[in-house]
Amino acid sequence: GAVVSQHPSRVICKSGTSVKIECRSLDFQATTMFWYRQFPKQSLMLMATSNEGSKATYEQGVEKDKFLINHASLTLSTLTVTSAHPEDSSFYICSARDRKTLPGNTIYFGEGSWLTVV
Amino acid sequence: KQEVTQIPAALSVPEGENLVLNCSFTDSAIYNLQWFRQDPGKGLTSLLLIQSSQREQTSGRLNASLDKSSGRSTLYIAASQPGDSATYLCAVRPGAGSYQLTFGKGTKLSVIP
Repeated sequence: GAVVSQHPSRVICKSGTSVKIECRSLDFQATTMFWYRQFPKQSLMLMATSNEGSKATYEQGVEKDKFLINHASLTLSTLTVTSAHPEDSSFYICSARDRKTLPGNTIYFGEGSWLTVV
Repeated sequence: KQEVTQIPAALSVPEGENLVLNCSFTDSAIYNLQWFRQDPGKGLTSLLLIQSSQREQTSGRLNASLDKSSGRSTLYIAASQPGDSATYLCAVRPGAGSYQLTFGKGTKLSVIP
């Protein structure tokens, strides 16, 4: 079946540095991908919608300049956490929409990335 | 705005017991509802997906039901095993043309050997 791959699965970075997380659809083209964040004991919350070839759409309260999203190809979206701080430590997970699955298009999730900022 | 609530937040049962996890949502206009499993330090594993037109879905020892009109879903786990220990998440998708899911906070299940 379709697979969405996320890399890295775990990353530790120093405060003030930037870290990039990749989300790839392995056997389908994903014009739309989604980035979620989950803090401990909280729900997964949608951060932004990543659209291939255009700017991402961010949810209210999510800083565009801090969480840079690039969807440069039909199979890859990247989330870059810039100038990371300890409060950015969280579980980040992406999902991708498979347009060829009907009806309604199937959504596949990656395995997530655990970010720890020290 | 859709809100998804999962009760209980945590559950501990002895091995072999049957159990039910609950999920409720405030807006009954959903396209589908999905149950996920999340292991500590791991990602999401999709367990069952129920379309709005369906009443239930089964996979092995798992059975999920959906009562859209009342805004409720249950996940039934039969003959629980220690390997079932994980956090179970419920998520709803609002419409066929909408792909963002709204998640509950999850129920943390511990199955005691």
